[in-house]
Amino acid sequence: DADVTQTPRNRITKTGKRIMLECSQTKGHDRMYWYRQDPGLGLRLIYYSFDVKDINKGEISDGYSVSRQAQAKFSLSLESAIPNQTALYFCATSGDSIKQYFGPGTRLTVT
Amino acid sequence: QKEVEQDPGPLSVPEGAIVSLNCTYSNSAFQYFMWYRQYSRKGPELLMYTYSSGNKEDGRFTAQVDKSSKYISLFIRDSQPSDSATYLCAMSAGSSNTGKLIFGQGTTLQVKP
Repeated sequence: DADVTQTPRNRITKTGKRIMLECSQTKGHDRMYWYRQDPGLGLRLIYYSFDVKDINKGEISDGYSVSRQAQAKFSLSLESAIPNQTALYFCATSGDSIKQYFGPGTRLTVT
Repeated sequence: QKEVEQDPGPLSVPEGAIVSLNCTYSNSAFQYFMWYRQYSRKGPELLMYTYSSGNKEDGRFTAQVDKSSKYISLFIRDSQPSDSATYLCAMSAGSSNTGKLIFGQGTTLQVKP
């Protein structure tokens, strides 16, 4: 089984809808991250969490929120989706804050 | 100006060629330098990482860091079609910076048989 899983893998939604992307990990890491990837822009950090009670904004947090339900679970929500949030979303975990392990990604399309 | 710059390519080479992938950066606080490889429709996976300046070799892959020039490189010897992927450089100022990685845009490499 994969160490970092993401659900759903693909999602198409309409403008204005609320959507949640979920991430689970079995690596036992405390640190978890959410990134988005756009062509030509690389990976950009949305939110990160060092433990269940610690949530921090990243480079591009506007329009997103997160929830750390447990050490192993970190969810990303789009409260009211807009077309420019169409992107690939990756969850990552880290035990030492340097080496990060990524999930397979969620391809999100907002129409 | 982005903190980390990487030529997006695409880069196409014949099998067996030596490949050079590069990134420049502007933040002198960066101490950890990483290369991730991302296959199509997959998440990035850590390929190599180095601390501070110098070289690190792992099989056909060599990572170089020149902090004086703020320039890092990844060399692939005897490239194979299985090396076809997007290569992302990433950098961090270290644990004191809470482990945030700054990524380059990624370079897409195609190795033709």
